[in-house]
Amino acid sequence: DIQMTQSPSSLSASVGDRVTITCRASQSIGINVNWYQQKPGKAPKLLIFAASTLYSGVPSRFSGSGSGTDFTLTVSSLQPEDFAIYYCQQSYNIFRTFGQGTKLEVK
Amino acid sequence: EVQLVESGGGLMQPGGSLTLSCAASGVTVSRFYMNWIRQSPGQGLEWVSVIYSGGDTYYADSVKGRFTISRDDSKNILYLQMNSLRADDTAVYYCTRQYSYGSFDQWGQGTLVTVSS
Repeated sequence: DIQMTQSPSSLSASVGDRVTITCRASQSIGINVNWYQQKPGKAPKLLIFAASTLYSGVPSRFSGSGSGTDFTLTVSSLQPEDFAIYYCQQSYNIFRTFGQGTKLEVK
Repeated sequence: EVQLVESGGGLMQPGGSLTLSCAASGVTVSRFYMNWIRQSPGQGLEWVSVIYSGGDTYYADSVKGRFTISRDDSKNILYLQMNSLRADDTAVYYCTRQYSYGSFDQWGQGTLVTVSS
């Protein structure tokens, strides 16, 4: 299995801050990484696919980058509704795997 | 508007069987790759299974041989038959549509399966 390791596991920030979450794959996976946001009691929502393509309707303050083994999700200016858990996911092979999640909390 | 509505979850004893359903509207399940993804309480996400539009199926090692994914094209419903349930199968099970680059763009609300004696 391809392991996806996110860092940090949790992050405290304030409204207006710029934050970056990192995801590292256990092998090179091209740009086959997707990012999700999950709020308590809700299903995850797709933010970014193919490492850097913004999904329809997702605010432009979200951006993704990376290729190979290292990927990042950046929120340029945090809004109150952005405090949630974020997951990366690899789609390099059939057996999709997710990172363990990064909890973004209010400082 | 795409809607995926899961049902069938509940409290089961170890070793038991259960079938989850995912009723789809606004999307034809036979035209997409449809997946089941689960999330144990307070834990992360685990991909479980996929059924391709052509009918091929694949499973995570943790469920292979115990779970079966299928669909009813006439009813537009996705299923997950779960046998030999174990405590570590306890999770919210989500039905999802696969999108570009293997992402999942449509999710149901999830159905909770609890396996406990």
